[in-house]
Amino acid sequence: GAVVSQHPSWVICKSGTSVKIECRSLDFQATTMFWYRQFPKQSLMLMATSNEGSKATYEQGVEKDKFLINHASLTLSTLTVTSAHPEDSSFYICSARHDRGQGYEQYFGPGTRLTVT
Amino acid sequence: AQRVTQPEKLLSVFKGAPVELKCNYSYSGSPELFWYVQYSRQRLQLLLRHISRESIKGFTADLNKGETSFHLKKPFAQEEDSAMYYCAPLEYGNKLVFGAGTILRVKS
Repeated sequence: GAVVSQHPSWVICKSGTSVKIECRSLDFQATTMFWYRQFPKQSLMLMATSNEGSKATYEQGVEKDKFLINHASLTLSTLTVTSAHPEDSSFYICSARHDRGQGYEQYFGPGTRLTVT
Repeated sequence: AQRVTQPEKLLSVFKGAPVELKCNYSYSGSPELFWYVQYSRQRLQLLLRHISRESIKGFTADLNKGETSFHLKKPFAQEEDSAMYYCAPLEYGNKLVFGAGTILRVKS
């Protein structure tokens, strides 16, 4: 149990276009999901916390108008990179918190490789 | 300011040798700390958490409040342990924030 999926696994888009990445908790409900960004051979950087039914909370330095997050259901959060530029090329990873009274649990998706040309 | 420090970017050991991956934190009190592992081409997964005081795949980690450390240890490294290891505290607001990570390479 506790599987998180992401779609697509990789995407190539042209500069100036927008791209949407989906994050789903497959076998549990997640009121809280997280979006991270990972550069090659570097750590994960937390971008924002996605809360079901309310606005996302963005980390300092992350442009909320650039990275739109929507968490419309208990199993789905989306990240839309608007007006993408080559510097937005990265590996985007989502995770979901599983609240089942067994201590803090956060499960990660496989990531989405975004390349902006 | 970075609150978790993993001083080694790369740690290379021979199979069968002991392993210690260092993690130091700068939080006050008793933070909740985790070790996550990312094997090649796989997603990030939980290795262990300090409150469980468990041993997973032969790894253990003890929270040392005096030294503000949470080092990950294994007495005998295996080749399959080669991976990227992240120390991660649970920050205010219940969010995991990751250290820089240490690549562990176990050589045969």
